[in-house]
Amino acid sequence: NAGVTQTPKFQVLKTGQSMTLQCAQDMNHNSMYWYRQDPGMGLRLIYYSASEGTTDKGEVPNGYNVSRLNKREFSLRLESAAPSQTSVYFCASSEYAGTYEQYFGPGTRLTVT
Amino acid sequence: AQSVTQLDSHVSVSEGTPVLLRCNYSSSYSPSLFWYVQHPNKGLQLLLKYTSAATLVKGINGFEAEFKKSETSFHLTKPSAHMSDAAEYFCVVSDEASYDKVIFGPGTSLSVIP
Repeated sequence: NAGVTQTPKFQVLKTGQSMTLQCAQDMNHNSMYWYRQDPGMGLRLIYYSASEGTTDKGEVPNGYNVSRLNKREFSLRLESAAPSQTSVYFCASSEYAGTYEQYFGPGTRLTVT
Repeated sequence: AQSVTQLDSHVSVSEGTPVLLRCNYSSSYSPSLFWYVQHPNKGLQLLLKYTSAATLVKGINGFEAEFKKSETSFHLTKPSAHMSDAAEYFCVVSDEASYDKVIFGPGTSLSVIP
């Protein structure tokens, strides 16, 4: 049981480049989330998927797109990276949305120069 | 609207002494409250969770938290700190009325001095 996996672990991009962060969970969870973590700001929700086939914006969605590929996988795409998107990105999943415990992946550390 | 305040950005304790990490929340409805721990360069892991059952909640690694509705607090405690407790701790509130919103506090960094 791997839990929540994320790839890549580290990435450096130049301004304007695009990339996709991959996330997969093997716990048969319905809900999945993408967060970014910046110093002193806790975690901020970028997008979430309450169930397969649905996605919704979180607190800071600008500059990102997501795809819930199937029940297991939820990807985050940066179409044109900006230095303000330098952050650590975490994927998480939970059985259902809201009041259920979330399980987190190990994170992707992204630097945009 | 719901919100979370962690009253200390950094706490330093000596090994073997008690730990107190403070959290206050604001929620319009009956909240679910969580504490998560993040060790350096790792993802977050659930320590404990309150969901309107017992007000004193026991978690992993000897941590516990008490839900006090009158004070809108959910402080995290441990009787005796261990070096391995050094980490970032996040208090989290989820509002049943907004089932898809989970609010993270800014975090408290705990240092343990040998």
